Amino acid sequence: KQEVTQIPAALSVPEGENLVLNCSFTDSAIYNLQWFRQDPGKGLTSLLLIQSSQREQTSGRLNASLDKSSGRSTLYIAASQPGDSATYLCAVIRDGNKLVFGAGTILRVKS
Amino acid sequence: GAVVSQHPSWVICKSGTSVKIECRSLDFQATTMFWYRQFPKQSLMLMATSNEGSKATYEQGVEKDKFLINHASLTLSTLTVTSAHPEDSSFYICSARDEVGNTIYFGEGSWLTVV
Repeated sequence: KQEVTQIPAALSVPEGENLVLNCSFTDSAIYNLQWFRQDPGKGLTSLLLIQSSQREQTSGRLNASLDKSSGRSTLYIAASQPGDSATYLCAVIRDGNKLVFGAGTILRVKS
Repeated sequence: GAVVSQHPSWVICKSGTSVKIECRSLDFQATTMFWYRQFPKQSLMLMATSNEGSKATYEQGVEKDKFLINHASLTLSTLTVTSAHPEDSSFYICSARDEVGNTIYFGEGSWLTVV
């Protein structure tokens, strides 16, 4: 059974700091890995999708890496801003586009 | 703008009643939609896969008779929580797959509170 773990569970940083969120999964036989952002009481916003054949994806200040062999992914956020405060979810995509989510990392960026 | 719409966003119902949540794909047809549930401070858990024109596929531990899923058209799937109890209070969110673009889109989610 695929299990996804995110570390840390919560993170508080001052504005401008670079930070790394970690995601690990137990079964390396995945199709893709996706990072999402969830604001309180809101739905999910897709941030980055990494195909299983890729090692990283970048979008603006965000960079996500994937190491299937070790079952790890990281989300790097550069020059963090208060607007980045949210819960960040990592999900691995298995057959049929079913997603298995981690519990998330709650990020707070202080101004 | 949103490409997957969920309605209602918030609902409060009394114990024992049923409540229906709708998930619509706005700009594309979706033969497959997914329903997830998220309890406070926990991860999203897949409940079931909704297939247009056929029965939904439920994940282990999810009661089919309690969580009725209907996917009658290519743009609409509904989740009905029957005989709701306070422990069913949760955040329910759907996703739909745009097969043309091979992208999964999520709805905004629906908060259910059973009192």
